[in-house]
Amino acid sequence: DTGVSQNPRHKITKRGQNVTFRCDPISEHNRLYWYRQTLGQGPEFLTYFQNEAQLEKSRLLSDRFSAERPKGSFSTLEIQRTEQGDSAMYLCASSQYPLNTEAFFGQGTRLTVV
Amino acid sequence: SQKIEQNSEALNIQEGKTATLTCNYTNYSPAYLQWYRQDPGRGPVFLLLIRENEKEKRKERLKVTFDTTLKQSLFHITASQPADSATYLCALFFSNFGNEKLTFGTGTRLTIIP
Repeated sequence: DTGVSQNPRHKITKRGQNVTFRCDPISEHNRLYWYRQTLGQGPEFLTYFQNEAQLEKSRLLSDRFSAERPKGSFSTLEIQRTEQGDSAMYLCASSQYPLNTEAFFGQGTRLTVV
Repeated sequence: SQKIEQNSEALNIQEGKTATLTCNYTNYSPAYLQWYRQDPGRGPVFLLLIRENEKEKRKERLKVTFDTTLKQSLFHITASQPADSATYLCALFFSNFGNEKLTFGTGTRLTIIP
């Protein structure tokens, strides 16, 4: 296993379009997080899954954001009707909870909305 | 709501000296406090974890302290090297029901000057 994989690495989209990102966690990890990070800021929590159950979604997230982890393996994050303010790095991380709480991150998907 | 503050946005340290980074938080103490390193354009990488009942942890040139009375963690890099230049993130993990997620601070950008 080579670690957490995110695709695509970069995405440029026009305002108003929908985008979907994929995250493949480390195979034995049951917990999966999504974060958003803008320049000079720390990762901002978006949502997390324990296996296939979505346990929490940030109140900062609008209804345009949705995430799934249908079989408890890979996850997708969709943003509908993108806005320029959605431009950021979207990070996925996984961990094996409760055995370990440290998170292993992917390289991220950089979204630019033009 | 829980707030996590890291002492400064940027810190410049002479090579060979000890770099000390601060993480302060409000409200409840976490079950675990973690430190990550992030290089530009990459996802964070886990460095060290300290539990709420531990006062100090070491790993090679790294040392973390945790004071639940002060609600503060200090992260030290001794004999600093230019390769240590990166952004360092503090993250808190709470194990209270309904709040079991990893929350990050804003980060401190550390530059080691040769």
